[in-house]
Amino acid sequence: EIVLTQSPATLSLSPGERATLSCRASQTASIYLAWYQQKPGQAPSLLIYNASDRATGIPARFSGSGSGTDFTLTISSLEPEDFAVYYCQQRNNWPWTFGQGTKVEIK
Amino acid sequence: EVKLVESGGGLVQPGGSLRLSCAASGFTFSSRWMHWVRQVPGKGPVWVSGIYNDGSSTRYADSVKGRFTISRDNAKNTVYLQMNSLRAEDTAVYYCARDTFYFDYWGQGALVTVSS
Repeated sequence: EIVLTQSPATLSLSPGERATLSCRASQTASIYLAWYQQKPGQAPSLLIYNASDRATGIPARFSGSGSGTDFTLTISSLEPEDFAVYYCQQRNNWPWTFGQGTKVEIK
Repeated sequence: EVKLVESGGGLVQPGGSLRLSCAASGFTFSSRWMHWVRQVPGKGPVWVSGIYNDGSSTRYADSVKGRFTISRDNAKNTVYLQMNSLRAEDTAVYYCARDTFYFDYWGQGALVTVSS
């Protein structure tokens, strides 16, 4: 199965700062990678799909890039509601797998 | 509005069984793959099982193969997860999720606790 490794585990930033999250796949995921945001007590919600396409209603400050084995989620300027845990997920090969998450916390 | 509502979670002893249900509304249920994804609090989500639109194809994670069975009733807009031979490591919040090539809608989750 494709193992997704996210880094860093925790990112401590202030509102207005730029966040850069990484997701590395153990074998190619092509472009079939998504990013999800999860807030405490809630289910994950889809942010980015196909590595770089924003899901419906997602603000432009969220962007995704990458292909193959290296992917990046960038939040250009953190808003208070963006402090959460972010997961990547691949659907290039069964079983579909998730990363272990990056927590973006307020510094 | 798309809604997914899970039910059937609870406390069960090791070796026991439980059936989760997920009632869907707000979209054409019979045209979508549906999945179950579980998550231990503080850990990443783990895909468990998926079922094709008409139920003719199913997929399972190796960790649940032979113990869990996914099914659906398109007349009732409901997907099920029958869980047998439950183990402590199956303890998690179980989410159903709609597949539009990715998991674009999720339910609120059902907590399953396997403990004596």
